[in-house]
Amino acid sequence: KQEVTQIPAALSVPEGENLVLNCSFTDSAIYNLQWFRQDPGKGLTSLLLIQSSQREQTSGRLNASLDKSSGRSTLYIAASQPGDSATYLCAVTFSGYALNFGKGTSLLVTP
Amino acid sequence: DTGVSQDPRHKITKRGQNVTFRCDPISEHNRLYWYRQTLGQGPEFLTYFQNEAQLEKSRLLSDRFSAERPKGSFSTLEIQRTEQGDSAMYLCASSSGAGGWTDTQYFGPGTRLTVL
Repeated sequence: KQEVTQIPAALSVPEGENLVLNCSFTDSAIYNLQWFRQDPGKGLTSLLLIQSSQREQTSGRLNASLDKSSGRSTLYIAASQPGDSATYLCAVTFSGYALNFGKGTSLLVTP
Repeated sequence: DTGVSQDPRHKITKRGQNVTFRCDPISEHNRLYWYRQTLGQGPEFLTYFQNEAQLEKSRLLSDRFSAERPKGSFSTLEIQRTEQGDSAMYLCASSSGAGGWTDTQYFGPGTRLTVL
């Protein structure tokens, strides 16, 4: 079964810290991996998409890496801010067009 | 580009009633997706449309669920004879189709369904 796992389930850090969120997947034959942000009760906002041929993508304070051989991706957030508080979801396309999501990491950045 | 919109945003219904949700994708996006998200879980794929053709369906989409995308524009998701287990956030997403397998999916705000 193709599964996506995210660790930790929840994370609390003081403002200004750099942090890493982890995502692992069971099948290395992926088409792409996407990181999303979800605010409480809201839809998903796409942060970064990494194609299977890429190793990383960067957008502002965010950097996502992909290691297909080990079935892992990390989302690095630099200089965290209270506004970064949200749930971060990792999603993998194994086949077809469906995104397969992890359960997410709930991030709280305290002032 | 106004983004993906969904209507209604919230729906409360009684068990056994039928409900219908609407999704309007980003203009000119030819791919449309439906997902379901329950509390504390990531979204789960339900179905996918390429223009008006429904090309992929999850086993989660029981015979009580039906989705349409007439004319390849907006889409509707209908749930017949609702059950309490159908209570969830129903999310719609669209993508341009230009990226092949690597399309970025853009999500709407979701419709939260509560079945009493």
